Amino acid sequence: AQTVTQSQPEMSVQEAETVTLSCTYDTSENNYYLFWYKQPPSRQMILVIRQEAYKQQNATENRFSVNFQKAAKSFSLKISDSQLGDTAMYFCAFIGGSNYKLTFGKGTLLTVNP
Amino acid sequence: DSGVTQTPKHLITATGQRVTLRCSPRSGDLSVYWYQQSLDQGLQFLIQYYNGEERAKGNILERFSAQQFPDLHSELNLSSLELGDSALYFCASSVGTVNGYTFGSGTRLTVV
Repeated sequence: AQTVTQSQPEMSVQEAETVTLSCTYDTSENNYYLFWYKQPPSRQMILVIRQEAYKQQNATENRFSVNFQKAAKSFSLKISDSQLGDTAMYFCAFIGGSNYKLTFGKGTLLTVNP
Repeated sequence: DSGVTQTPKHLITATGQRVTLRCSPRSGDLSVYWYQQSLDQGLQFLIQYYNGEERAKGNILERFSAQQFPDLHSELNLSSLELGDSALYFCASSVGTVNGYTFGSGTRLTVV
């Protein structure tokens, strides 16, 4: 069974600074996909960034980037130049093999302070 | 607008009652997924349908059932409701796994 662990229940960062959210996962699959979703106070689930396990290059989307360490089964999210609108719950998620189920971590509540 | 439509947005009902949550997937997506989000359990996978057929089942209670219709919309039926069923219920859709899921805005169910 796949599991996703987010060890930081809450984090805070000052506006314009950089913050890194941690995520580790456990799987026996070789082919899988990893995602970070954002859930702001509106409760909408928004896809932030995705990474294919077979790609060594780390994914980047504007101010969001990941550090994907396949051997360590680690998938952290870095947010640069943090903005007040980045305040949200962030979920790490995994899909692997023939299983189409998206498995989520417990989430990290990020607060960006002015 | 994500393209995934969920109705109603809010629902308040009494214990023991039955409700139906509706989801219309994004155009072109054949898979529909239902998730329950509660404060203490996080996001829990309930069930997946693909082109009208059940594909995967998660921690879905026997009191809950779902189906996907020929037009691909899906309904989640919750019966004999208990206070603990109060949660945010998400529907998501996808065309595959590469791009993840697209989520609807959720239905907030409150059982009183």
